[in-house]
Amino acid sequence: GNSVTQMEGPVTLSEEAFLTINCTYTATGYPSLFWYVQYPGEGLQLLLKATKADDKGSNKGFEATYRKETTSFHLEKGSVQVSDSAVYFCALSDNAGNMLTFGGGTRLMVKP
Amino acid sequence: NAGVTQTPKFRILKIGQSMTLQCTQDMNHNYMYWYRQDPGMGLKLIYYSVGAGITDKGEVPNGYNVSRSTTEDFPLRLELAAPSQTSVYFCASREGDYGYTFGSGTRLTVV
Repeated sequence: GNSVTQMEGPVTLSEEAFLTINCTYTATGYPSLFWYVQYPGEGLQLLLKATKADDKGSNKGFEATYRKETTSFHLEKGSVQVSDSAVYFCALSDNAGNMLTFGGGTRLMVKP
Repeated sequence: NAGVTQTPKFRILKIGQSMTLQCTQDMNHNYMYWYRQDPGMGLKLIYYSVGAGITDKGEVPNGYNVSRSTTEDFPLRLELAAPSQTSVYFCASREGDYGYTFGSGTRLTVV
């Protein structure tokens, strides 16, 4: 079946540092890939997505590239802010798009 | 625009009690989902629905039931609550391009 593996957290960075959160996946066919963000006490919000190989999703300074050859979708940001502190989830959808499979989440803490 | 609304936000149940978690969306989305999120873990799919009158099991359906009589509502029923069902429950909906909209969650504790 499908699965998503993320680097374990927490990840603690200083403001303006570079961020990478690793995500790899196992899936049949050609899934779509997503990053969701969860702020404290809230539900998940879609951060970015990519629907085919070599696509780059981007939003709010975050970006991730769909790498089929390495089955990866790593999240990056050039300069993090305190307001980026949250839990980040990598996810993939099945071919029909009927359901999402999530990774375990990575907590990011950004210190001033 | 309310999006996906879940009630209640918090609930404490005793072992063996039953309850219904409510979920409603006002976006006319066909697809709706129930996930549970255990501490430090990702979300696991409990049940989903592709439209009114149609439901299907997800990854962890045991101990739960759902119904989908209208497009807007997708309640999740817990029968005979167990401590293993202590979790945060999220309802979500989507239409089209896989952009899921999540509710703010229901935190359930079974004691």
